[in-house]
Amino acid sequence: SQKIEQNSEALNIQEGKTATLTCNYTNYSPAYLQWYRQDPGRGPVFLLLIRENEKEKRKERLKVTFDTTLKQSLFHITASQPADSATYLCALAPLGTGTASKLTFGTGTRLQVTL
Amino acid sequence: DTGVSQDPRHKITKRGQNVTFRCDPISEHNRLYWYRQTLGQGPEFLTYFQNEAQLEKSRLLSDRFSAERPKGSFSTLEIQRTEQGDSAMYLCASSPPWTGGSANEKLFFGSGTQLSVL
Repeated sequence: SQKIEQNSEALNIQEGKTATLTCNYTNYSPAYLQWYRQDPGRGPVFLLLIRENEKEKRKERLKVTFDTTLKQSLFHITASQPADSATYLCALAPLGTGTASKLTFGTGTRLQVTL
Repeated sequence: DTGVSQDPRHKITKRGQNVTFRCDPISEHNRLYWYRQTLGQGPEFLTYFQNEAQLEKSRLLSDRFSAERPKGSFSTLEIQRTEQGDSAMYLCASSPPWTGGSANEKLFFGSGTQLSVL
C-alpha cells in the first residue's frame, strides 16, 4: 500500500541553524510533491510545490529537493528563526487531471527553533 | 482575498446528535475539498467538489457523512448520529480551476472546525 513517512519525533534546532526535514514514500509514483506549514489549531498553509522532473526548488529561506530514485524529498529552512516553529507536512499527488483531489498527506514533523 | 472561512470553529456535541459544518471557499475557486485530521496525523481526504458536483468520496466516509455544495459556492458537511470516533478537526480547502499541469494544485485551507463528541 502507499505510504508517506515523515519523522514523527520533533526536530529541535538552534536559531540560525539549517533545519532539514525528510519525507519518504513507498509504492507511489508522484507527479509532484508539496510542503505545507501548520500551526496549532490552524489549517495547513502551502509553502512549495516541486514536480517529479525537478530536482530542487527554492523560495527565500526555503529549499526543497526531490529524488524520485530514493523516493525522498528534503525540506530545508536556512537561518531558522523561532517563528519557523510549526509542524511541516509533505503531500504527494499522482499524475492526472486536477489531481489536487488525490493529494495524500504525511503525518508531519514538528519543528521547534530555540534561541 | 478573504481566505477560506469555516464555521463554527469549535463544536461540542453529545454522541448520537447530528452536526453540520459550513465552509465558504475563496470566491473564484471552483474546487472544494473536505479533510479530517486527528491529533498527530496529517489531513485525510474525505470528499471533493468541482463546482456543485461531488466528484469524489473517500471510502473512509461512512453513510453517516454527507456533504453538499448546492450552488457551487459554500459547502456543508453533515455528520449524523455522531460517534466518539468522529472527534477530529474538519478542514475545508479550495483551489482555483485546473489549467493543466500543477500550477493550480496548491490547496488553500480554512482554520477548521474542531469537533468533540462526548
